[in-house]
Amino acid sequence: EIILTQSPATLSVSLGERATLSCRASQTVPKQLAWYQQKPGQAPRLLIYGISTRPTDIPARFSGSGSGTEFTLTISSLQSEDFAVYYCQQYKIWPLTFGGGTKVEIK
Amino acid sequence: EVHLVETGGGLIQPGGSLRLSCAASGLSISANYMAWVRQVPGKGLEWVSAIFNGANTSYVDSVKGRFTISRDNSKNTLYLQMNSLRAEDTAVYYCAATLRWLNFDNWGQGILVTVSS
Repeated sequence: EIILTQSPATLSVSLGERATLSCRASQTVPKQLAWYQQKPGQAPRLLIYGISTRPTDIPARFSGSGSGTEFTLTISSLQSEDFAVYYCQQYKIWPLTFGGGTKVEIK
Repeated sequence: EVHLVETGGGLIQPGGSLRLSCAASGLSISANYMAWVRQVPGKGLEWVSAIFNGANTSYVDSVKGRFTISRDNSKNTLYLQMNSLRAEDTAVYYCAATLRWLNFDNWGQGILVTVSS
């Protein structure tokens, strides 16, 4: 099983600032790493797949990077609608696993 | 527009059974990789089961032998048969779908399953 460890657990950021979220995997994940956003009472929303590919409906301020076991989600300039919990997920091997999440809150 | 609508949740006693359904519109479940993901209220996401490449299935260890995922392509509906339910199965269950390998861009609204006496 691949364990994903996200840090920090909570990130306090001001509007317009940059947010950097980390996800560390217990084993190498060549490409199969995704990021999701979840707001209270809502289902998760896919932001990034394949480490760095953004679906067409996701704003360009969201970007993913990393390799091996270290991955990053960057939100270049936080908007009010970006305050949420963010999860990474690996889909390289069974079982599929998610990180514990990072809550991005208003500073 | 894609819609995934879960039904069948509710309150059930430990040891009981429930069948969740996920009715899809705007996509073909036979053409998608389909999965169930659950979330204990206030906690993180946990993948439960997936069905792919026809009738291939996979499960998280904690539900193996108790849960069964299946789909009825004629009804465009995904199912999760849950037997021998335990208190730790209490969660919101989401149905999810994707045309890509197992990263999910379509989700239902979720359905709450509460296992309690």
